[in-house]
Amino acid sequence: EPEVTQTPSHQVTQMGQEVILRCVPISNHLYFYWYRQILGQKVEFLVSFYNNEISEKSEIFDDQFSVERPDGSNFTLKIRSTKLEDSAMYFCASSGQTTDTQYFGPGTRLTVL
Amino acid sequence: GDSVTQMEGPVTLSEEAFLTINCTYTATGYPSLFWYVQYPGEGLQLLLKATKADDKGSNKGFEATYRKETTSFHLEKGSVQVSDSAVYFCALSVAQGAQKLVFGQGTRLTINP
Repeated sequence: EPEVTQTPSHQVTQMGQEVILRCVPISNHLYFYWYRQILGQKVEFLVSFYNNEISEKSEIFDDQFSVERPDGSNFTLKIRSTKLEDSAMYFCASSGQTTDTQYFGPGTRLTVL
Repeated sequence: GDSVTQMEGPVTLSEEAFLTINCTYTATGYPSLFWYVQYPGEGLQLLLKATKADDKGSNKGFEATYRKETTSFHLEKGSVQVSDSAVYFCALSVAQGAQKLVFGQGTRLTINP
């Protein structure tokens, strides 16, 4: 069964450094998403992406964040200058033509020191 | 704005007990409703969904009915197993196109043998 994959599973970085989180969505999917989950809190929507552009973004997704689909398979989330409060689990998701079902990857745990 | 409220956890039950996890929602449109499950160390997996009023979603012995009159989507299972121990998230999506999911806070369920 096709699945969403994410790398790395765990990323440790110093405050102020740039990180790139990578995702490979399910191959025939058209819509891509990033969510995050701070430890013990709700899963929060960050951004959705369709047809090579951002469809919607949350208040969290400020100028420090960017997304890209650099080729036909990868979908990346870049945090330009990490802050302590960016420490969280980041989930990538994708959905196909019927967008009501999103399939999630296993997540990348980001730890900012 | 759109929101989801789940019953407070954690919930601890004995094997073969009856499970109910309450979920209510507030939405401006006509949402689709979901239950996602997160097993220890893993990502979010879709458990079941319902896209319109009075629909019942079911999977792996779990059921939830979309109740528009009470704006609820409670998760039930008649006889839980130790392997059902996980965190359960209720969620909704409303918008057309690239739909973001709005999650509840999650309910941690532990089943004791």
